Amino acid sequence: DGGITQSPKYLFRKEGQNVTLSCEQNLNHDAMYWYRQDPGQGLRLIYYSQIVNDFQKGDIAEGYSVSREKKESFPLTVTSAQKNPTAFYLCASSPDSLRSKQYFGPGTRLTVT
Amino acid sequence: AQTVTQSQPEMSVQEAETVTLSCTYDTSESDYYLFWYKQPPSRQMILVIRQEAYKQQNATENRFSVNFQKAAKSFSLKISDSQLGDAAMYFCAYLNSGGGADGLTFGKGTHLIIQP
Repeated sequence: DGGITQSPKYLFRKEGQNVTLSCEQNLNHDAMYWYRQDPGQGLRLIYYSQIVNDFQKGDIAEGYSVSREKKESFPLTVTSAQKNPTAFYLCASSPDSLRSKQYFGPGTRLTVT
Repeated sequence: AQTVTQSQPEMSVQEAETVTLSCTYDTSESDYYLFWYKQPPSRQMILVIRQEAYKQQNATENRFSVNFQKAAKSFSLKISDSQLGDAAMYFCAYLNSGGGADGLTFGKGTHLIIQP
């Protein structure tokens, strides 16, 4: 099956720990994105990557880091510097030629206590 | 920076009726895309409809259609013959059409309730 996978669906961590969220796609898409969703809010862009080994900060990048070593993978690390890490995190990808069509993964719910 | 505003936190409609969700946006760009996404309780984001700003014709997808008013910066979604499966959060989103892999800018969403 072609698509975007995010694992796990639910993740729990203690405050002060870094945690890495997985995002994998087998759609051969060039661009990948990370969004954060809080209750009662729309999605906000954290980071995006147009090609391998390149990525750009989005609107709320503070306290997060990413890597893009492979075309199909775009992991997001939530660091201890992120003040309010509890949220729903969504990964997306788009073909370079059809950048306007973004396909979303199922999301990961992160809870930090 | 672009902004997207959805002024209706919640809407309710009887099954089989028609409902319109509102969206306004602010941008200084002339070429861009607008979207409506559906997020059911599973939280999977599903693309409902897409509009290219340079196209005057309003986009339609089966029971879903938009009213795109570029001068007014308005982009409403009409759902005809509402079905129980249409119940979800609906998000309006904006994307610049310039070069680069920019992300989407979303509104805060409208919770659509379908009354049986």
